[in-house]
Amino acid sequence: DQQVKQNSPSLSVQEGRISILNCDYTNSMFDYFLWYKKYPAEGPTFLISISSIKDKNEDGRFTVFLNKSAKHLSLHIVPSQPGDSAVYFCAARRDSNYQLIWGAGTKLIIKP
Amino acid sequence: EAQVTQNPRYLITVTGKKLTVTCSQNMNHEYMSWYRQDPGLGLRQIYYSMNVEVTDKGDVPEGYKVSRKEKRNFPLILESPSPNQTSLYFCASSPETGTGRQPQHFGDGTRLSIL
Repeated sequence: DQQVKQNSPSLSVQEGRISILNCDYTNSMFDYFLWYKKYPAEGPTFLISISSIKDKNEDGRFTVFLNKSAKHLSLHIVPSQPGDSAVYFCAARRDSNYQLIWGAGTKLIIKP
Repeated sequence: EAQVTQNPRYLITVTGKKLTVTCSQNMNHEYMSWYRQDPGLGLRQIYYSMNVEVTDKGDVPEGYKVSRKEKRNFPLILESPSPNQTSLYFCASSPETGTGRQPQHFGDGTRLSIL
């Protein structure tokens, strides 16, 4: 039973446009969420995070939105750049033991 | 350069032949962890360690062992590998004791194929 779901395996976006990556979760006890980015043949790198007490966190071109009632978060990238082409993972923290539960990832392709 | 180093990067081996994947970090991090990544499943935690001599099971520990004798090293041991352990493995470390808020730093991965 996947508690963190990224339902889109891939997403293609034109350079300069907005990329929106989605993540749904089932466990209401998750209290902290993170996005990681992964290039081929490399490990994931941290991108941005949000606490469950907030509904938005922004860092440069990256904004994460959290809708607790819908158990949904999204990552917005504006404007999208070629270097943003990567796999993006959503992860949620369990408040019981602080370990992370990861989504399956979404492959973002930025078209020139 | 701050990094997490895994070795080997690639390994093809046979069922039952014991193997060890090494992981070393040079950031003096307290927390270290092992994950496996399989298609459609994302990263799943195998074992983690809050500090030296402190290890605990993650979500998929069966068939794996770990040890944390020194702060910088956290090897993953497969005593009797089986084909269902064919996967991409990542080691990660974090500066704090695993509250999950501090980002984890990942190695570049080890691709294991068990025939």
